[in-house]
Amino acid sequence: DTGVSQDPRHKITKRGQNVTFRCDPISEHNRLYWYRQTLGQGPEFLTYFQNEAQLEKSRLLSDRFSAERPKGSFSTLEIQRTEQGDSAMYLCASSLRDRGLYYGYTFGSGTRLTVV
Amino acid sequence: AQSVTQLGSHVSVSEGALVLLRCNYSSSVPPYLFWYVQYPNQGLQLLLKYTSAATLVKGINGFEAEFKKSETSFHLTKPSAHMSDAAEYFCAVGIQGAQKLVFGQGTRLTINP
Repeated sequence: DTGVSQDPRHKITKRGQNVTFRCDPISEHNRLYWYRQTLGQGPEFLTYFQNEAQLEKSRLLSDRFSAERPKGSFSTLEIQRTEQGDSAMYLCASSLRDRGLYYGYTFGSGTRLTVV
Repeated sequence: AQSVTQLGSHVSVSEGALVLLRCNYSSSVPPYLFWYVQYPNQGLQLLLKYTSAATLVKGINGFEAEFKKSETSFHLTKPSAHMSDAAEYFCAVGIQGAQKLVFGQGTRLTINP
């Protein structure tokens, strides 16, 4: 069990550029979640996958955001035409189906995005 | 919909003193409750969880929390603070059937030597 891995750890981008983040969950976990955390706030849910299916998306996930989990393993989160308001920590978490609430989710270390 | 309120965005205690971080939740159905800790520039680490078993839950690093349904609370305590406890602490609530956790705004714990 190597934990949840996120890459990159930090990303600085110019406004208007596209960025993509990657998350590798714990191998046996079939659920994967994305959260966003802005400075001084708690994490906010963005979306989650069960295997390769994206089952829920928050209203926070505007049309500029897209997430994929093509083979039910790693996931990517892409932000197009970044805005300064996208600056945040993007956290990935994983869990076993139906057991996440019992065991708790395992979070990665996050990707900190700064839009300048 | 469920929600979480953490009372006090910043708590400061002396090393060796009692730590008390407050969390109140709102849920129309029996909740699952969690405390996570976040160190600077790190992800969230699970401290402890309540899953409808014992109301007094013990976690890692000497922390514990008590679920009080009548008060809709899940406060986090530690008898004796250590310098290494300095971090941000988040309370979160989840309910069966909803596939996400709802987090509070966090409490920053500072330990004074």
